[in-house]
Amino acid sequence: EIALTQSPATLSLSPGERATLSCRASQSVSSYLAWYQQKPGQAPRLLIYGASNRATGIPARFSGSGSGTDFTLTISSLEPEDFAVYYCQQRSDWPLTFGGGTKVEIK
Amino acid sequence: QVQLQESGPGLVKPSETLSLTCGVSGYSISSGYYWGWIRQPPVKGLEWIGSVFHSGSGNYNPSLKSRVTVSVDTSKNELSLKLTSVTAADTAVYFCARLGLFYGQIDSWGQGTLVTVSS
Repeated sequence: EIALTQSPATLSLSPGERATLSCRASQSVSSYLAWYQQKPGQAPRLLIYGASNRATGIPARFSGSGSGTDFTLTISSLEPEDFAVYYCQQRSDWPLTFGGGTKVEIK
Repeated sequence: QVQLQESGPGLVKPSETLSLTCGVSGYSISSGYYWGWIRQPPVKGLEWIGSVFHSGSGNYNPSLKSRVTVSVDTSKNELSLKLTSVTAADTAVYFCARLGLFYGQIDSWGQGTLVTVSS
């Protein structure tokens, strides 16, 4: 089973700042990595798939990069609605696995 | 636009079987994609349960495989989840979802339904 480790667990930032979230895989997942945003009481929302492809309707301030074992989700300038929990997920191999999440909170 | 909606009991007794259904609208299950279930225990992260192709072939989380069945009914355009011998550890919000075939991204989610296991 491929384990995904997200860091940091919590990121405290102010609106307008840049957020950099990390996801590290225990073995190569090539580009089979996705990122999701989840707000309290809601289902996750797909942000990025294939490591760097923005999903439909996702603002350009969200970008993904990386391949193999190290991946990054960058939010170029935080908007108030971006404060949430973010998860990475791989489907390079079964079972499909998720990272433990990074909470982006208002500083 | 595809929409998914979970339904089923919100309370299940220990040792019994959890059964949920997910109605799909705006897209025909038989047209493709993987379809599956993900759960999230209270205040915890996401756990994939299992996914099936529209033909019915699928994959399951090894930690749950002996207790789980995920199936699709193309005539009703719905998918279902059965989890046997439940315990309190199975208490979670259960989401149904559509998964992309190539990258495996989960591009559509149901709103989720809370299932509590308690006597």
